[in-house]
Amino acid sequence: DAGVIQSPRHEVTEMGQEVTLRCKPISGHNSLFWYRQTMMRGLELLIYFNNNVPIDDSGMPEDRFSAKMPNASFSTLKIQPSEPRDSAVYFCASSLGDRTRSNTGELFFGEGSRLTVL
Amino acid sequence: DAKTTQPNSMESNEEEPVHLPCNHSTISGTDYIHWYRQLPSQGPEYVIHGLTSNVNNRMASLAIAEDRKSSTLILHRATLRDAAVYYCILGYSTLTFGKGTMLLVSP
Repeated sequence: DAGVIQSPRHEVTEMGQEVTLRCKPISGHNSLFWYRQTMMRGLELLIYFNNNVPIDDSGMPEDRFSAKMPNASFSTLKIQPSEPRDSAVYFCASSLGDRTRSNTGELFFGEGSRLTVL
Repeated sequence: DAKTTQPNSMESNEEEPVHLPCNHSTISGTDYIHWYRQLPSQGPEYVIHGLTSNVNNRMASLAIAEDRKSSTLILHRATLRDAAVYYCILGYSTLTFGKGTMLLVSP
């Protein structure tokens, strides 16, 4: 099994540019999560989807951030316009089952996308 | 979300057992106790989880206090590859990560 696949692994961009991070969850998993990790704030949950529907986006920092899941095998996290404080490692994770019903199954994380905004 | 308290760091020698503590005095009856770890430059990985009873798997054991206000992750024989940040998380569905414990393993 390929695991959760994220791209790009590294992205360096300039302030004001649009950034799109991509995630392919494990086949058959129906819950998907986006996390952000920085030294200052640790791992923060940004948003999670269940069956392609956003369930909780309360962790999304502001309107510059948006996430979509057009189908069960693909999700994007977009930042427009990007700012230096958005520099972080962004992780995507997936799990089997319906987490709106207290599924406590294992989360599988990707290797992350390291974003640097200059 | 109920909070957890973990030591910032712990040290161990290779091939010795490691007991990683976690306090969660405000745990609710529906909260599961999850442990994840994060190796350097990698995403977090699942270690173990439980509700009330002690749990064992191939990676570790989880000992849960009778009042559920604390738990201990036990690595039976630490290896250099176990050096990581270990997160104790309470959760019903979504998981909120804290700062974790950085485990250092010496040869």
